Amino acid sequence: DTEVTQTPKHLVMGMTNKKSLKCEQHMGHRAMYWYKQKAKKPPELMFVYSYEKLSINESVPSRFSPECPNSSLLNLHLHALQPEDSALYLCASSPTGATEAFFGQGTRLTVV
Amino acid sequence: GEDVEQSLFLSVREGDSSVINCTYTDSSSTYLYWYKQEPGAGLQLLTYIFSNMDMKQDQRLTVLLNKKDKHLSLRIADTQTGDSAIYFCAESMPGGGADGLTFGKGTHLIIQP
Repeated sequence: DTEVTQTPKHLVMGMTNKKSLKCEQHMGHRAMYWYKQKAKKPPELMFVYSYEKLSINESVPSRFSPECPNSSLLNLHLHALQPEDSALYLCASSPTGATEAFFGQGTRLTVV
Repeated sequence: GEDVEQSLFLSVREGDSSVINCTYTDSSSTYLYWYKQEPGAGLQLLTYIFSNMDMKQDQRLTVLLNKKDKHLSLRIADTQTGDSAIYFCAESMPGGGADGLTFGKGTHLIIQP
């Protein structure tokens, strides 16, 4: 099983809403990531969790709040987003010491 | 940050070989990767190569690495319509792959019948 599952697949939210993106993997990977991908652009790293601890925050605004409740789950809590935050949000996981990184199918987020 | 450069488009005829090129700048990269992204989908890991290797072959895919020139290529033999996608080259950030990946802008592979 090399699957990273993300929910929901699509999300439309208003600028005053609070929502969460979820990511799950059962490969025993202890590194998990959030990436943001704008249309026709490459993915850009947002956060890295290693052994359930936040190890990298790429200067992401505080309206994005990651959480890693256990080794299989990664959440991204969203609050007071702006229309320019509309993008494809990708979750990935890898073994630590890291070779392959496996990506989920992403959540297509639209902020209205 | 480090730069990973790719051509934006490549057009090939069905049945021909496709060669997608990438240059990177960080000589300390441990692993280099090729990902495929179809429209509206996530990223599919195609293959990766460790920085002390020159070549890796996996069925129709051949990866060549020239570490001296910091040049990576992906050759797809017998290109099919299902290979139409955007192909991203990526390098592991300094500190190893667990620190995340830096992606090139992606090469859009277009297949002509």
